[in-house]
Amino acid sequence: DAGITQSPRHKVTETGTPVTLRCHQTENHRYMYWYRQDPGHGLRLIHYSYGVKDTDKGEVSDGYSVSRSKTEDFLLTLESATSSQTSVYFCAISASGHGAFFGQGTRLTVV
Amino acid sequence: AQTVTQSQPEMSVQEAETVTLSCTYDTSESNYYLFWYKQPPSRQMILVIRQEAYKQQNATENRFSVNFQKAAKSFSLKISDSQLGDTAMYFCAFGVNQGGSEKLVFGKGTKLTVNP
Repeated sequence: DAGITQSPRHKVTETGTPVTLRCHQTENHRYMYWYRQDPGHGLRLIHYSYGVKDTDKGEVSDGYSVSRSKTEDFLLTLESATSSQTSVYFCAISASGHGAFFGQGTRLTVV
Repeated sequence: AQTVTQSQPEMSVQEAETVTLSCTYDTSESNYYLFWYKQPPSRQMILVIRQEAYKQQNATENRFSVNFQKAAKSFSLKISDSQLGDTAMYFCAFGVNQGGSEKLVFGKGTKLTVNP
């Protein structure tokens, strides 16, 4: 195992409420990523981080923000959840050329 | 921008037979990496095999092998001696090393069913 833990594993929330997903790694990797997985779309990059307090946007960043105050933790926040953000969210770490190693995923349902 | 296309949404194979999953990609980069990931019903994303674009030799990992055709931008996955445990979604992915970071672009996936 690559030592990546996501919490919570499942969450149901109401439209308009804020939601924070947490990713914790024990591998001391510099780079961390948040992807979302939707049927018919594969996985798409939301945001990524290249160090403490250093983050950047991915392909589908609208409506999401991230923070990284420690090397081991990368947080994804939905400021005001919408039904279109119902998805499975994956955190990943990677070492270039070796591929990404993923957490278990978080299934988020916005009702 | 890079794109990855998996043209087979679903496939099925009989146990012990061989199956090939297709993947094509589009990029202007010359140095990159390609990957196949397996996602069983447990939802875990598992790296199956990786290929470095600068290597002509096709990667192999036990029953899994790839056919990498750089000029054609094709990267297919062959699974030999299929097992029931191979039933899963399979994703092809593309990555470029950018200062140590490697953001991946994924195809939409192929759902593989291995029948007894």
